[in-house]
Amino acid sequence: RKEVEQDPGPFNVPEGATVAFNCTYSNSASQSFFWYRQDCRKEPKLLMSVYSSGNEDGRFTAQLNRASQYISLLIRDSKLSDSATYLCVVNPYGGATNKLIFGTGTLLAVQP
Amino acid sequence: DAGVIQSPRHEVTEMGQEVTLRCKPISGHDYLFWYRQTMMRGLELLIYFNNNVPIDDSGMPEDRFSAKMPNASFSTLKIQPSEPRDSAVYFCASSRTGVKDIQYFGAGTRLSVL
Repeated sequence: RKEVEQDPGPFNVPEGATVAFNCTYSNSASQSFFWYRQDCRKEPKLLMSVYSSGNEDGRFTAQLNRASQYISLLIRDSKLSDSATYLCVVNPYGGATNKLIFGTGTLLAVQP
Repeated sequence: DAGVIQSPRHEVTEMGQEVTLRCKPISGHDYLFWYRQTMMRGLELLIYFNNNVPIDDSGMPEDRFSAKMPNASFSTLKIQPSEPRDSAVYFCASSRTGVKDIQYFGAGTRLSVL
């Protein structure tokens, strides 16, 4: 089983739609969780950290379910500019290192 | 801050040639990571350093790959000899202890081995 698993997509949604991505991780000792965004032919960039209580940043909401070992990202009112690959990222090493495990990404295409 | 700086941005070489990729991490960051990204395998960690010391090189595919970090502001990833299957985008990233292990990536080097 992969340490971090995501649905590769693509998710094709119209502008204004709400879309949700899920990600599962295998190590229950994982401490840090993130969503990164990668535009075509660009480097990954941090979108948001994911906290146990859930957190929101504008149209983006991230949630963590430790019991089920999954992380979600919800995007409301999708914009064309949201089209990108969204990477689920986990630190399964309990803070002993800054090493991260990246999922293979979920491709989102927002259509006009 | 200028962010993580990688060079060259693009490299085209012939099979058997030596390739050297360069990275300058963000000043003050004590972790440096080298990744390789392909369509088939996604983003793979090759090696990482902490305070210029290699900590985990288990992702380095073969002896043809080597990485060094002679000081806190510079690292190289070398492939010798290069092969067509090494064609990929190579990213360098850095992070700082105590800042929730967030990694910042360079723009990457797109390597094509013919």
